[in-house]
Parts: sequence; structure tokens; C-alpha cells
Amino acid sequence: SAVISQKPSRDICQRGTSLTIQCQVDSQVTMMFWYRQQPGQSLTLIATANQGSEATYESGFVIDKFPISRPNLTFSTLTVSNMSPEDSSIYLCSVLDGPYGYTFGSGTRLTVV
Amino acid sequence: AQKITQTQPGMFVQEKEAVTLDCTYDTSDPSYGLFWYKQPSSGEMIFLIYQGSYDQQNATEGRYSLNFQKARKSANLVISASQLGDSAMYFCAMRLPFGGYNKLIFGAGTRLAVHP
Repeated sequence: SAVISQKPSRDICQRGTSLTIQCQVDSQVTMMFWYRQQPGQSLTLIATANQGSEATYESGFVIDKFPISRPNLTFSTLTVSNMSPEDSSIYLCSVLDGPYGYTFGSGTRLTVV
Repeated sequence: AQKITQTQPGMFVQEKEAVTLDCTYDTSDPSYGLFWYKQPSSGEMIFLIYQGSYDQQNATEGRYSLNFQKARKSANLVISASQLGDSAMYFCAMRLPFGGYNKLIFGAGTRLAVHP
């Protein structure tokens, strides 16, 4: 199965700033997904990152707040923009790895102060 | 509406006993996949088991088995011979391959505590 390197693993950021999270996959994958997990909550899909086209965002998430890049089939970034304390969450990337499996990155624990 | 429901916020079990974590789902798509993931306190998502909607037999993976009752739209996870290391959050998830563009949607999760 694919191996994902997600960086940073954690960060503490000032409100009003932006943080870019990177996911590097050791093989080419068509579909990459970005999730948010608020404290004590389940995973919520932010967007599907498509190579060569705009990301597809879920209801409640907008590109201005969570811009996503997908320059090739092994790499993607998620930026959390103009952060507020409500953005404190774990952010995870995931790839569709074969016909059934999904592999997740180790997550980025973001705290906004 | 496509939805995953986990009604047990927390469960506890004695070490070496079996435990069942409940999951029900709702979809009108005839083709779907059901997953269970374990999330320890470190935050990583660990794949446990998969069941396809057309699979005739219940999935098993070591100590994990999935009790798939399609007519009732339930996909309960059974963990046999619980170990202290099984203490974690457990999420049921559903893949929607066509209309859902292969998205995974997750239930609210169940926190399992294994007692010695």
C-alpha cells in the first residue's frame, strides 16, 4: 500500500496567519482527499484534490479558506487561511490506494492561539 | 441521504472478552463499501476491515470480523479476545464509488476502553 509523509505533524499558530500542510505519497495516486477532525469529533471531508484541475469542495468548505494544490500525482498541499481558534483540529490527507483501500497520513495537529 | 450512524459513544470490555461495535448506514446506491478504522490517541487512522456490498460472506481479518446484515443496513464490528492495545476510537465509514466519487463518509465513532 502507499506510504504518505504528512508535514508538519503539529503546529501552534497565531490567529490571522496561514499554515500550509503537505502530503507526499511514495507512488502515483489519482485521488487525494483532505479531512478535518475537530476535537473529539469524527472526520469531515474538506475536499477532493484532483491533479490538473480545481479541487472539489464539500458543503461548508470554501476555496478562499482552504486552498488546495495538486501539482502532480504524488503531492498535495492544504492551506488553512486566516486562522481562528475554531480552526484548531487535526487535518489528515488520504489517498485511494487500490480498489478498496484508503491510506491516511499521520495527521497535522493544529492549535490556533 | 447517505449517512453512517454509530450510536455507542463509548464502550468498555474486559480483557480477553469479545465486543461488538454497532454501525448502521443509509444509501440508495447499490454499490458501496464499508470500512472500519481504529484511531489510537496518536491520531493515525489504522485500517481494520472492509466489506463490499456484493460480498456474499462476512469479512474477517484476524481478531476482527464484520457482521454484515444488508437488509438491516448494518455492519457491526466484532473484536474477539480483546487486548489492552485495542483501547482506541473506532470509526465506521462508507465509500460511495459512483455518485459519491469514491468519497469516504464517517460515523461519529465509538471510544472503546479495554479493562484488565
